Amino acid sequence: QSVLTQPPSVSAAPGQKVTISCSGSSSNIGNNYVSWYQHLPGTAPKLLFYDNTKRPSGIPDRFSGSKSGTSATLDITGLQTGDEADYYCGTWDSSLSAWVFGGGTKVSVL
Amino acid sequence: EVQLVESGGGLVQPGGSLRLSCEASGFTFSTYWMHWVRKVPGQGLVWVSHIDSDGSRVSYADSVKGRFTISRDNAKNTLYLRMNSLRAEDTAVYYCARARLSDPYYYDSSGLLHWGQGTLVTVSS
Repeated sequence: QSVLTQPPSVSAAPGQKVTISCSGSSSNIGNNYVSWYQHLPGTAPKLLFYDNTKRPSGIPDRFSGSKSGTSATLDITGLQTGDEADYYCGTWDSSLSAWVFGGGTKVSVL
Repeated sequence: EVQLVESGGGLVQPGGSLRLSCEASGFTFSTYWMHWVRKVPGQGLVWVSHIDSDGSRVSYADSVKGRFTISRDNAKNTLYLRMNSLRAEDTAVYYCARARLSDPYYYDSSGLLHWGQGTLVTVSS
């Protein structure tokens, strides 16, 4: 059972939008920055967002991140087949003194 | 170019031990916190441990506390994970990851920017 809660899967047609939620608590998301990771099987995970909303260089602006209270959200617009992957939120949990990830959300393009 | 190359994975019996290594290049290794993260087949990413830039501060997930030891050799640009008393549930691909920010700018939730390709650890009799 992950400390951060994500939906197991989301799907949409090419060109459409998907939203991935990440729910936590005051000891993690509520008082720390959230980052998001994209993971394709057999590859290294990739940082998509840090500090809730900031994209590293090379990440297209079709991806956007936000945070409100103890929840965070990743939006992908203009969905492409290459976006099919698992997506994870992550942050530091001050009570556990541990980094925590969400359980991951599989994005499928219909 | 930042590169992280893990090695040391393999098949080990329950109760056995293994030491993973992560050789780093392309950045000043001694100024970055480093992490180990694992991915169990069919499950999500799980953080295992991290270590500060000079090796003086470490943290572990509860599931590995007392069994795993993280360490680093800054002269060799290498991160290690010593895994003892291995269990079937430790079977996973183990990734090393570099913090996004170097000291003194690092903060705990600053994110993991660079990741290795992973090394597979299989615990089975």
